Amino acid sequence: KAGVTQTPRYLIKTRGQQVTLSCSPISGHRSVSWYQQTPGQGLQFLFEYFSETQRNKGNFPGRFSGRQFSNSRSEMNVSTLELGDSALYLCASSLGQGFNEQFFGPGTRLTVL
Amino acid sequence: AQTVTQSQPEMSVQEAETVTLSCTYDTSESDYYLFWYKQPPSRQMILVIRQEAYKQQNATENRFSVNFQKAAKSFSLKISDSQLGDAAMYFCAYKRENGNKLVFGAGTILRVKS
Repeated sequence: KAGVTQTPRYLIKTRGQQVTLSCSPISGHRSVSWYQQTPGQGLQFLFEYFSETQRNKGNFPGRFSGRQFSNSRSEMNVSTLELGDSALYLCASSLGQGFNEQFFGPGTRLTVL
Repeated sequence: AQTVTQSQPEMSVQEAETVTLSCTYDTSESDYYLFWYKQPPSRQMILVIRQEAYKQQNATENRFSVNFQKAAKSFSLKISDSQLGDAAMYFCAYKRENGNKLVFGAGTILRVKS
């Protein structure tokens, strides 16, 4: 079975631009969660999607948004990029909610100049 | 809000020796799950071991075991017979019974010396 895939793997943007990151979960997985990883703030939860519905949202400004499609693939969008948005964005998929193991993708490294 | 604290920013262990990574957490809930994740330099996060809070028995996975002290809200990871491949950042994480949101600690860098 293919693992969680994230595209693109690396991205360089300038302040004020917007960006869309994609995550394809493991086949059969219906839950996708997103995390932001920075040296200063560590790993922070962004949002969780299950069956195309946002189930939970972290404490991030409205510039961060996401969605999930009927095939469980998920995208997250960051508008009006700021320097502080430079981070590794990780996606995790699981069968559903509860005690199911979450499998992480390799991440997208976003650099904002 | 739940919090997870890893008080050891960095640890070192000699190959074949045993090392224990510490983790404490704060929650008012009685049912939850705890995890240890490993993030090697390649950055792919991997689940090492997990523990259900309602289980008194400590989880074990080969060379990895935990010491779960629910009353003390402590969840340490013991790595026996350390190997060079164990070198990585280790994160302790908490999850409520419902949902998939993980709350992570700051991480502990583990260095393995040959």
